[in-house]
This record gives sequence, structure tokens and C-alpha cells, in this order.
Amino acid sequence: AAGVIQSPRHLIKEKRETATLKCYPIPRHDTVYWYQQGPGQDPQFLISFYEKMQSDKGSIPDRFSAQQFSDYHSELNMSSLELGDSALYFCASSLAPDKETQYFGPGTRLLVL
Amino acid sequence: AQTVTQSQPEMSVQEAETVTLSCTYDTSENNYYLFWYKQPPSRQMILVIRQEAYKQQNATENRFSVNFQKAAKSFSLKISDSQLGDTAMYFCALPNAGNMLTFGGGTRLMVKP
Repeated sequence: AAGVIQSPRHLIKEKRETATLKCYPIPRHDTVYWYQQGPGQDPQFLISFYEKMQSDKGSIPDRFSAQQFSDYHSELNMSSLELGDSALYFCASSLAPDKETQYFGPGTRLLVL
Repeated sequence: AQTVTQSQPEMSVQEAETVTLSCTYDTSENNYYLFWYKQPPSRQMILVIRQEAYKQQNATENRFSVNFQKAAKSFSLKISDSQLGDTAMYFCALPNAGNMLTFGGGTRLMVKP
């Protein structure tokens, strides 16, 4: 079965640069979630979209923005990168009405130098 | 605010034996879902099992089963016939009303040959 696709899988950036992470949900899934997992930590919710509209917002810095496109893929844009942004970024998707059951992608490892 | 607590940071089990991972939670919701996710060294987040709170029957997926005690707000994961591939970090997770997942701190499980 098709899974969630994330690209790139690894990304290295310098401080103050920008980064764009992409997520392609499982086909027909209408909801996308973004999570950030720092080293040795559990994943923290950033933001979610349902039917291309932002549905929930967590601890996402103002330097980050995201959107969901007409084909349901989503992008997380990160600007003015800081060392503390180094983390594993997960995208997950689900399908209404079973929105609670989220399937995760492999993650994008971001390293900010 | 809801919380998820995993009181066992690390556990180990001999191959072929049974191990139980603990999770307690707090929520004001009456109907909700609970999940266990597995994160192996590859750091992929893999859905292991889910439980619907309104169902009294404990969920089972092959060698994985849960002991769900709603009144006690307890949701433990039992792994039977442990295999080397079960070595991973295990996270208990609870979605809020907006389906944002709150994770416990994780339990690192080592299966020994």
C-alpha cells in the first residue's frame, strides 16, 4: 500500500537560511499533520490541514509557515533557520471520518549548521 | 490540557518472551482513541495498534495487544513472543479534539537474543 512520502529525506542548511519540506499524503487522505521531533524527545505537533484549510496550530514558530495544495500535498516553509531547528520533521496523514488514525511518513532530517 | 505519561524510560526482554509497556493518560473527553507507535532505529514512526475508548474489548494485532482500563486511564501494550525486530522506542499517543497527537515520553525496548 502507498505510504506518506516526504522529501527531501535529509537536508543540511546554514543558520539564517530557508528550507522547504514537502509531504505527499497517502492517496485520498484529506488531512495532513506536521510534527517536529528533537533529539531524544517525543514528536511535537506543529500544524495541520484539512481539505486545504489550516485546522489546528501547535507550537510552530512564527518563522515557519505551511500550506496544503489542491492535490493535498503540503509544504512546510522554514525561514531564518536557527541551530535549534535541527530535528526530524514528520508529516502524517489521515482520512475523515477516521481523522484520529494518523500514518506517518519517514521524516525529513534537518541539520542546521 | 491532556497528558500522556510513560513511566518506563527503558526496558529489556529476552527474545521469545513477553513484555508489557505502561502508559497512563489524562483527558476530559469521553470518546477518544489511544495509539501505540513504534520508532525503530530508522526513526520511522509506525502505527502498532489503536484502541477506541467506547469499546470494552481490548485491541489485538498479531503479537501485540493492549490492556485498556478506562476508569484508571491506563493503556498498556503487551508484546508476546518478542522478536529482535521489536527493538525500538515505543510511544503511547492520545489525540485531542482537533486530532493533534500528544505523545508520552517513550519507552526504549531492547530485545536480547
